[in-house]
Amino acid sequence: GAGVSQTPSNKVTEKGKYVELRCDPISGHTALYWYRQSLGQGPEFLIYFQGTGAADDSGLPNDRFFAVRPEGSVSTLKIQRTERGDSAVYLCASSLSGASTEAFFGQGTRLTVV
Amino acid sequence: AQSVSQHNHHVILSEAASLELGCNYSYGGTVNLFWYVQYPGQHLQLLLKYFSGDPLVKGIKGFEAEFIKSKFSFNLRKPSVQWSDTAEYFCAVNAPGGNNRLAFGKGNQVVVIP
Repeated sequence: GAGVSQTPSNKVTEKGKYVELRCDPISGHTALYWYRQSLGQGPEFLIYFQGTGAADDSGLPNDRFFAVRPEGSVSTLKIQRTERGDSAVYLCASSLSGASTEAFFGQGTRLTVV
Repeated sequence: AQSVSQHNHHVILSEAASLELGCNYSYGGTVNLFWYVQYPGQHLQLLLKYFSGDPLVKGIKGFEAEFIKSKFSFNLRKPSVQWSDTAEYFCAVNAPGGNNRLAFGKGNQVVVIP
């Protein structure tokens, strides 16, 4: 596709459930990023992939959060035992490479934990 | 780690008024600087960026920003706003040569009244 695609656009889940959020980056972009945006805040970095490997996962808040990118394209953010505090918009971005290039953002997945 | 400060979270102004949004960052080294815009219901889009060279940067839709290294600032300006400029504006910074992860400010919600 022409841009970064994220699915689903909205997800409502019950506290304690497991969720997966998907990101389809722009074709040919080797760098992929996940951010989380809470209400009234700017996006906060979660994890960065260069190809298939997680080059920087220092932004993941705890071990309930995990992300994969097995073939160097699509990425899945996985959240176990969801908590109400996980409610936020999860943004994915991709760029041609990791160094000083423009990042293109998807529309995000709005996750609501009830 | 870099951090970004944006003040006056909510800005309301009339069409044809001038707009200036402040952005200050804290980081001791060389930085790349960005302004992103998010129109209602849309994804984050790059408005303009500064990597090096002329500190006065021209972006899309008549926006410009000036990098003042001594003040650690990258303020965004537009001389005459339109109703279509109603959006949320985010300043962001990253360190060149690194993994390109962005540190965002909290954003400015700008409402332009026709």
